[in-house]
Amino acid sequence: GAVVSQHPSWVICKSGTSVKIECRSLDFQATTMFWYRQFPKQSLMLMATSNEGSKATYEQGVEKDKFLINHASLTLSTLTVTSAHPEDSSFYICSALQGGGIYNEQFFGPGTRLTVL
Amino acid sequence: AQSVTQLGSHVSVSEGALVLLRCNYSSSVPPYLFWYVQYPNQGLQLLLKYTSAATLVKGINGFEAEFKKSETSFHLTKPSAHMSDAAEYFCAVRGGRSNTGKLIFGQGTTLQVKP
Repeated sequence: GAVVSQHPSWVICKSGTSVKIECRSLDFQATTMFWYRQFPKQSLMLMATSNEGSKATYEQGVEKDKFLINHASLTLSTLTVTSAHPEDSSFYICSALQGGGIYNEQFFGPGTRLTVL
Repeated sequence: AQSVTQLGSHVSVSEGALVLLRCNYSSSVPPYLFWYVQYPNQGLQLLLKYTSAATLVKGINGFEAEFKKSETSFHLTKPSAHMSDAAEYFCAVRGGRSNTGKLIFGQGTTLQVKP
């Protein structure tokens, strides 16, 4: 199956710093990628839909100025958590939609554990 | 709007016993339904999906699910649990032409398998 990678797999940072997380589709092109957030023992909550070459679409309640998303190529989307605070500590998971159809399969990355001190 | 509800946040079975994880959906359009498994500190792996073809869907690792429109359900089953099945399971829905392809997840069910 198709492979999606995330980098880094974990990161610890100080409060107030910014952290960038990369999501790559390794063997397919993805015009659409999704960013999810998962708190311990909870479900995945969609943060935003990332479209190559256009602005991301954020879900209600997600601060777009805090969670910057860039989808500069068909294989790479980045999520930057700006001025991170302890409450931003979470497990961030991306997924990539294979092909252009919205009913195509979505492949998930392994996740990035962010800890803000 | 679409949504899914997973009944039971925690299910415990003995090794070799039947696994039944419940999922009910709500959708104003024909739904596309999915079951995913997540092992600790990992991403999600697709177990199976329903896309309006056969109502009984077979997936990986011996899992299957049956789509029942009359009950708005898509329960996941496995005849005989293995220790390696212990994980978090998520039901998800995607559907509607206006939908961008995003998935809406249920709350998740933790499956514990006892020896």
